[in-house]
Amino acid sequence: GNSVTQMEGPVTLSEEAFLTINCTYTATGYPSLFWYVQYPGEGLQLLLKATKADDKGSNKGFEATYRKETTSFHLEKGSVQVSDSAVYFCALTKNPMDTGRRALTFGSGTRLQVQP
Amino acid sequence: SAVISQKPSRDICQRGTSLTIQCQVDSQVTMMFWYRQQPGQSLTLIATANQGSEATYESGFVIDKFPISRPNLTFSTLTVSNMSPEDSSIYLCSVQRLADSSYNEQFFGPGTRLTVL
Repeated sequence: GNSVTQMEGPVTLSEEAFLTINCTYTATGYPSLFWYVQYPGEGLQLLLKATKADDKGSNKGFEATYRKETTSFHLEKGSVQVSDSAVYFCALTKNPMDTGRRALTFGSGTRLQVQP
Repeated sequence: SAVISQKPSRDICQRGTSLTIQCQVDSQVTMMFWYRQQPGQSLTLIATANQGSEATYESGFVIDKFPISRPNLTFSTLTVSNMSPEDSSIYLCSVQRLADSSYNEQFFGPGTRLTVL
């Protein structure tokens, strides 16, 4: 079945540092890949997405590239801010053209703490 | 995207009782799902809410414990029955509108934070 593996947290960075959160996946075919963010006390927000190999999703300075050869979708940001402190979840679901179960499979989540 | 509301936003319940959580969407959606997020954990799918028919449950979740209704394309309920402290979690509704998305993206409600004493 499908699975998503994320790096363990918490990740603690100083403001303006470079961020990488690793995410690898196991799935058949070409799944759609997502990063969701959960700010303290809030629900999940879709951060970015990609649906095919070499697609780059980007939003709010965050980027992730769909790497089919390494089955990875690492999240990066060049300069983090205190307001980026949150839990980040990598997730996948079936390709839109595929039939079957369409629910998301989530990674374990990575907590990011950015210090001033 | 879609605007999703959940009621209640939080509740504290006694063991042995039941709580029904409502999920309302501002427009018709194809798919609705219910997830559970236990404290400090990731999200686990409970079931897919099917309009006009029985929900499809994931392994480890059963209808007697988590009955789900979906009477139309904008509304669903999840009941947590005969609660125990182990049911203390955040319960999240999510929706997916397949007709206009090429990504299968899902949008989440704000969640219902349940504490069982």
